[in-house]
Amino acid sequence: SAVISQKPSRDICQRGTSLTIQCQVDSQVTMMFWYRQQPGQSLTLIATANQGSEATYESGFVIDKFPISRPNLTFSTLTVSNMSPEDSSIYLCSAKWQGGGYTFGSGTRLTVV
Amino acid sequence: GNSVTQMEGPVTLSEEAFLTINCTYTATGYPSLFWYVQYPGEGLQLLLKATKADDKGSNKGFEATYRKETTSFHLEKGSVQVSDSAVYFCALSDPVGGGFKTIFGAGTRLFVKA
Repeated sequence: SAVISQKPSRDICQRGTSLTIQCQVDSQVTMMFWYRQQPGQSLTLIATANQGSEATYESGFVIDKFPISRPNLTFSTLTVSNMSPEDSSIYLCSAKWQGGGYTFGSGTRLTVV
Repeated sequence: GNSVTQMEGPVTLSEEAFLTINCTYTATGYPSLFWYVQYPGEGLQLLLKATKADDKGSNKGFEATYRKETTSFHLEKGSVQVSDSAVYFCALSDPVGGGFKTIFGAGTRLFVKA
């Protein structure tokens, strides 16, 4: 299975600023995903990151707030823009690998103050 | 649409007790089913999976059988340990009906007492 390195693992940010989260996969994967896990909640899909094209966003999430890059088959970034305390969550990336499984990064715990 | 429903927690057990966490699903196609575990302060780890009806996924003493007739994928372990304390998520992926994204249940928190 693929292994994902995600960073930063945690950050405390001021409201109004932006944070970019990076995920590096140790092998080429066709599909990568970004999830949000709010405190005590399950995971909610933000978007599917497509290589060479714009990300596909789920209902309730927009590109201006969560811009995503996917420059190649092993790397993706998610930016949380113009942050407010409501954005405090764990953000996780995920990759679908050829064996049919999904691997997750270790998550980024974001606190907005 | 596709969805996953799992039993609410928290579940509190004594060490060596039998564990069952119920999970049922709805899907338009033929989904693959997963159990993920999240230990305190960590990301998700795949615990086990099953890709077709009657498959049994197993790992670290945990088991779950894909039951198409009851649309269920209950997680079981015969004897839990304190180190099993975590949040467990049931999930499905339905390439035909839902694309390749994974749909998660709400999660069930398990506490195991020594």
